[in-house]
Amino acid sequence: QQQVKQSPQSLIVQKGGISIINCAYENTAFDYFPWYQQFPGKGPALLIAIRPDVSEKKEGRFTISFNKSAKQFSLHIMDSQPGDSATYFCAASNRGDSGAGSYQLTFGKGTKLSVIP
Amino acid sequence: GAVVSQHPSWVICKSGTSVKIECRSLDFQATTMFWYRQFPKQSLMLMATSNEGSKATYEQGVEKDKFLINHASLTLSTLTVTSAHPEDSSFYICSAPSGRSYGYTFGSGTRLTVV
Repeated sequence: QQQVKQSPQSLIVQKGGISIINCAYENTAFDYFPWYQQFPGKGPALLIAIRPDVSEKKEGRFTISFNKSAKQFSLHIMDSQPGDSATYFCAASNRGDSGAGSYQLTFGKGTKLSVIP
Repeated sequence: GAVVSQHPSWVICKSGTSVKIECRSLDFQATTMFWYRQFPKQSLMLMATSNEGSKATYEQGVEKDKFLINHASLTLSTLTVTSAHPEDSSFYICSAPSGRSYGYTFGSGTRLTVV
């Protein structure tokens, strides 16, 4: 059972456009929702993260929108650039029964973003 | 801050040999380390969770005797792929909670190719 569903699988956006990636989750115990950027052959790098007590978080060109009632969250990349071309993963986690330090991330399947000049 | 150094970045080994992958937390103490496996064009699959000073917890379907995990200190966790076979070829990534509002820091990954 996939607990975090991500769409689209791939996305092509023109330079300067807005890239939008969506995720939906099932586990209402999740309390941390990060987005990761991964370039080929590299480990994921944290882009931006949000907690369920806010509906939106913006950092530079990256914005997370969060809808707790719908159990959905999305990543918006404004003014998309060719350097943004990468695979993006949404994820979610909860504290876990063992307390701090044991919470694991559940990842979406990823979105390959291509920004064309 | 919050860097996880993973080595080697790539390794080629012969079938039947063992390979050790190291992940070190450079500027924080990693009580927990998560080990992931990633196939091409796929998402990260959690293999196991290691906690300093205790036995690792393996996800269902992951052979604990093949993927040996040691977390002997707060700054070092290792994954040893024993008796490697070509089907073990994959991208292995470690990650640790870095203690800043649930943040997780990932290593740079290890590309394992078994020939």
